[in-house]
Amino acid sequence: EAGVAQSPRYKIIEKRQSVAFWCNPISGHATLYWYQQILGQGPKLLIQFQNNGVVDDSQLPKDRFSAERLKGVDSTLKIQPAKLEDSAVYLCASSLDGFRHYFGPGTRLTVT
Amino acid sequence: EDQVTQSPEALRLQEGESSSLNCSYTVSGLRGLFWYRQDPGKGPEFLFTLYSAGEEKEKERLKATLTKKESFLHITAPKPEDSATYLCAVQHTGANNLFFGTGTRLTVIP
Repeated sequence: EAGVAQSPRYKIIEKRQSVAFWCNPISGHATLYWYQQILGQGPKLLIQFQNNGVVDDSQLPKDRFSAERLKGVDSTLKIQPAKLEDSAVYLCASSLDGFRHYFGPGTRLTVT
Repeated sequence: EDQVTQSPEALRLQEGESSSLNCSYTVSGLRGLFWYRQDPGKGPEFLFTLYSAGEEKEKERLKATLTKKESFLHITAPKPEDSATYLCAVQHTGANNLFFGTGTRLTVIP
């Protein structure tokens, strides 16, 4: 079974630039999550999709972050404009039952 | 509001020296408590789910236990390959997302 795929693995941008991350979940998994993990901290939920609908985006900074899930499969997370404090690892996870999460390798973002 | 506190923040063990990691939690109705392992540069990898107080689960040198207020991850005779960050997370009833602690960074010295 193929795991959760994410790209790019690493990205360095300057503040005020924009960036996009891509995630392909495990086939058949209806629930998709984006988590932000700042160095030395645990992952924090940004947004949760059920198929192509948003279930929870209460922690998403909507003035700069946006996300979509195309046709209930792939998802993109965008940051525009980026701030220094957005430097983190962005983890995508998927779940078959909304319970156990399967995480991708993450995208490490550095904002300079 | 959900709270998860893990201790210690970091732990260094000699190979073969058994120990325990602690996860204290506060949640409005526990649906499940999860343990994940995270290696540097990788995403968290699932270890265990515990559902109710008194439950125990084992996998190789790891054993997870759960009470109404905390969970322990016991590591018996650890090996260097057990070195990683161990994350604890809770899921409350009615939710499908996880609320994580900050993790315990374990180093096992040969």
